[in-house]
Amino acid sequence: EAGVTQSPTHLIKTRGQQATLRCSPISGHTSVYWYQQALGLGLQFLLWYDEGEERNRGNFPPRFSGRQFPNYSSELNVNALELEDSALYLCASSYRALTREADTQYFGPGTRLTVL
Amino acid sequence: AQKVTQAQTEISVVEKEDVTLDCVYETRDTTYYLFWYKQPPSGELVFLIRRNSFDEQNEISGRYSWNFQKSTSSFNFTITASQVVDSAVYFCALRTIIQGAQKLVFGQGTRLTINP
Repeated sequence: EAGVTQSPTHLIKTRGQQATLRCSPISGHTSVYWYQQALGLGLQFLLWYDEGEERNRGNFPPRFSGRQFPNYSSELNVNALELEDSALYLCASSYRALTREADTQYFGPGTRLTVL
Repeated sequence: AQKVTQAQTEISVVEKEDVTLDCVYETRDTTYYLFWYKQPPSGELVFLIRRNSFDEQNEISGRYSWNFQKSTSSFNFTITASQVVDSAVYFCALRTIIQGAQKLVFGQGTRLTINP
């Protein structure tokens, strides 16, 4: 069974540009999560999508947005890039997570975004 | 507030030694889930184990074992007879379901180096 896939592997942008990161979940998973892993800041929750809807977002500015498509794949968009947006962005997926049961999140290999 | 503390930033041992990674968590939720993930140099987070708050049974999987103690809010991870391939950053994570959040809260990670 294929795992979570992310593209691109690496992305280099300059300040002020926009970045688009993509994620394909494990087949059968409907929930997609985005996390940011910046140097020295650990893993921070960004966004959670389920069934095409944004269900929750972390403490990030509106420049960080995304969407989930009918096939459950997801895009993360970062507008007006700043130097501190340089990080590894990890996508995870799980089965439907709207009950009190916690479905395990499986992670992709990440996209390393560098802002110059 | 939800919080996970991994007090050990870095651990270095010689191959075949046993090593324990500590994890202490804070939550007011009565139902929660604890996880351990491994992050090798490639960057992908690899799921190792999930434990429910109402199941305090310890678990062993090959050379890996986990000790969950609600009384001390700890979920420690032990590698027996460590191997060089165990070198990675290990993250402990907490997942609670408060107001539909269902996000993972990660500790800062412990960088484990196994020297030959």
